[in-house]
Amino acid sequence: DTAVSQTPKYLVTQMGNDKSIKCEQNLGHDTMYWYKQDSKKFLKIMFSYNNKELIINETVPNRFSPKSPDKAHLNLHINSLELGDSAVYFCASSPSLGGQGRYNEQFFGPGTRLTVL
Amino acid sequence: GIQVEQSPPDLILQEGANSTLRCNFSDSVNNLQWFHQNPWGQLINLFYIPSGTKQNGRLSATTVATERYSLLYISSSQTTDSGVYFCAVGAYSGAGSYQLTFGKGTKLSVIP
Repeated sequence: DTAVSQTPKYLVTQMGNDKSIKCEQNLGHDTMYWYKQDSKKFLKIMFSYNNKELIINETVPNRFSPKSPDKAHLNLHINSLELGDSAVYFCASSPSLGGQGRYNEQFFGPGTRLTVL
Repeated sequence: GIQVEQSPPDLILQEGANSTLRCNFSDSVNNLQWFHQNPWGQLINLFYIPSGTKQNGRLSATTVATERYSLLYISSSQTTDSGVYFCAVGAYSGAGSYQLTFGKGTKLSVIP
């Protein structure tokens, strides 16, 4: 009964390849996010989607393209992978974006560890 | 953007000891969450606490929003408490968008 799930859990690939990571939430939330955690464990927002619309793109290279087919899914496609893309990518969701109260409480998926060789 | 500072960066405890982790933030926030990242990498929600005090078992948290800090208390620590504790604050950016900004975390090691 996983709330936020991601596939795959591990992804090992060569430089220059294109890969996708999938995320699904069954919480009925309106907002989904992608975060990147680097080798020093620092977590930073990459994208935020509210009701399938892109809200934040935090200076992420355009090789990264999020796609939200519906409110429950947010996929991350990465073109021309580089060594520096190696990291753990987390998907998260919240009931809504901003506002007061617990509507903005975020829940995270298990992460996808991407290794680029 | 908003700055989030956590202290201490590293903490080693004997099993059974108590500890306090601190999170300072630079501006008013709508949201403050504490997370535990366990050794398997999973991010577990501990508290949603933009203000006030909450308790959950051996863990409790207090946020004093007017003074821009939050504290996480761990009592009678156990080896399963090991991992990295993150504070994250939610606020609107200058462009009007809302985002969660994470601190760099406190790495806790509890030794038997």
